[in-house]
Amino acid sequence: DAGVIQSPRHEVTEMGQEVTLRCKPISGHNSLFWYRQTMMRGLELLIYFNNNVPIDDSGMPEDRFSAKMPNASFSTLKIQPSEPRDSAVYFCASSLSGGYTFGSGTRLTVV
Amino acid sequence: GIQVEQSPPDLILQEGANSTLRCNFSDSVNNLQWFHQNPWGQLINLFYIPSGTKQNGRLSATTVATERYSLLYISSSQTTDSGVYFCAVGVWGTALIFGKGTTLSVSS
Repeated sequence: DAGVIQSPRHEVTEMGQEVTLRCKPISGHNSLFWYRQTMMRGLELLIYFNNNVPIDDSGMPEDRFSAKMPNASFSTLKIQPSEPRDSAVYFCASSLSGGYTFGSGTRLTVV
Repeated sequence: GIQVEQSPPDLILQEGANSTLRCNFSDSVNNLQWFHQNPWGQLINLFYIPSGTKQNGRLSATTVATERYSLLYISSSQTTDSGVYFCAVGVWGTALIFGKGTTLSVSS
C-alpha cells in the first residue's frame, strides 16, 4: 500500500485566498483524521471522520475551515479565506481500529 | 479532556546510550500510541500499546493503564533516533490526544 497520500506537500498563498488540502487514506481504513501542527499549540485535532461521517469537528477553528469526505478514499480540508495565523503543517491520518498511519503533511504558508 | 504529559521535554545523548521516555495521562484510556517525528517532519507509528509491553528491535514500550503511564525505552541509541517522540492517548470513538513530545538529539 502507498500509505496515506496528501497533496500538495507545500502551499504558499496570499491572505484571503482559498486553500484546499487533499488526503487519500489507506484503502480499507474506516477512520480519517485531520490534525494541525504548530510550534505554539503542538499537534491538535481538527476533525475526525468515521465511515465517511464527521464524528468530532470541535477542533475546527472557525467557520473559515470546512472538511468533507465524499467517499472512503478521499477527503478535503478547505480554508476560505486564509489568514497568516493558519500557517502550519496539516496532517491527515487514517486508521482501522488500531494504530494511526499519518501522511507526509502539507506545509501551508499564508503571506 | 484527557491531559497528556511527557517527560523529559528534551534529551541529549551520545550514540550508544540508553534512554527512557515517560508519558503520564490524566484519565482512563483504551488507546495509546507512540510516534516518532523525524527531522524531516514525518510521523511514524512506533507502538500501539494500550496496555502491556511490546518490543521492536532496540525500542520497547510498557503501558501500565491502571497507574496511567507509559514508558518508551530506546537502547543503544543511534543518530537516526533523533527527532521528537510523541505519546498520544484516547478512548474508543474519539481521536487521539497528543502530548507535547520529547525532543531527542543523539550525537556521534
